[in-house]
Amino acid sequence: EPEVTQTPSHQVTQMGQEVILRCVPISNHLYFYWYRQILGQKVEFLVSFYNNEISEKSEIFDDQFSVERPDGSNFTLKIRSTKLEDSAMYFCASSPLVAKNIQYFGAGTRLSVL
Amino acid sequence: AQKVTQAQTEISVVEKEDVTLDCVYETRDTTYYLFWYKQPPSGELVFLIRRNSFDEQNEISGRYSWNFQKSTSSFNFTITASQVVDSAVYFCALSEAGYGGGYQKVTFGIGTKLQVIP
Repeated sequence: EPEVTQTPSHQVTQMGQEVILRCVPISNHLYFYWYRQILGQKVEFLVSFYNNEISEKSEIFDDQFSVERPDGSNFTLKIRSTKLEDSAMYFCASSPLVAKNIQYFGAGTRLSVL
Repeated sequence: AQKVTQAQTEISVVEKEDVTLDCVYETRDTTYYLFWYKQPPSGELVFLIRRNSFDEQNEISGRYSWNFQKSTSSFNFTITASQVVDSAVYFCALSEAGYGGGYQKVTFGIGTKLQVIP
């Protein structure tokens, strides 16, 4: 079964550094999402993306965050200047046109900011 | 606004016991989807079930069963004859269908941590 792929599985970075988390959504999907889960807490919506633009974003998704679909397959989340509180698990998800509400999640990238 | 409440933050059971994880949701939409995900200690989200709001049939999959009751806005999850491998955090989640647009975020509950003791 096709799956959403996220790389790396674990990213360690120094505070203030830029990080890019990468996702390869399922190939025929058109809607893309990022979610965040701080350790021990619930999974929270960050942003949704469709037709090469942000469709919706939460208050967590401030100017430090950006998303991009640089080519036909990748979907990236960039954090410009990481803070300690950005340490979390980041999940990418995608959904197809015919079943927009059915989101398929990747295995996540654990970001550790030191 | 959509909201998911999982009142049980942690549950411990002895292996082979049955356990029910509660989920209550709030939504103004008549069309929506409900989900359950399992998150083992390794951290990934494992999809368990998806149910749309028009399908109130209960579902059984092996030792897992789900009870969807629109009248009480609940979507409870029961594990029969629990096993140690069932130990994980279980999230209930909701997605509203909305109109047009096409993107509808998933709102998660806080999760229930299940520990199955051998």
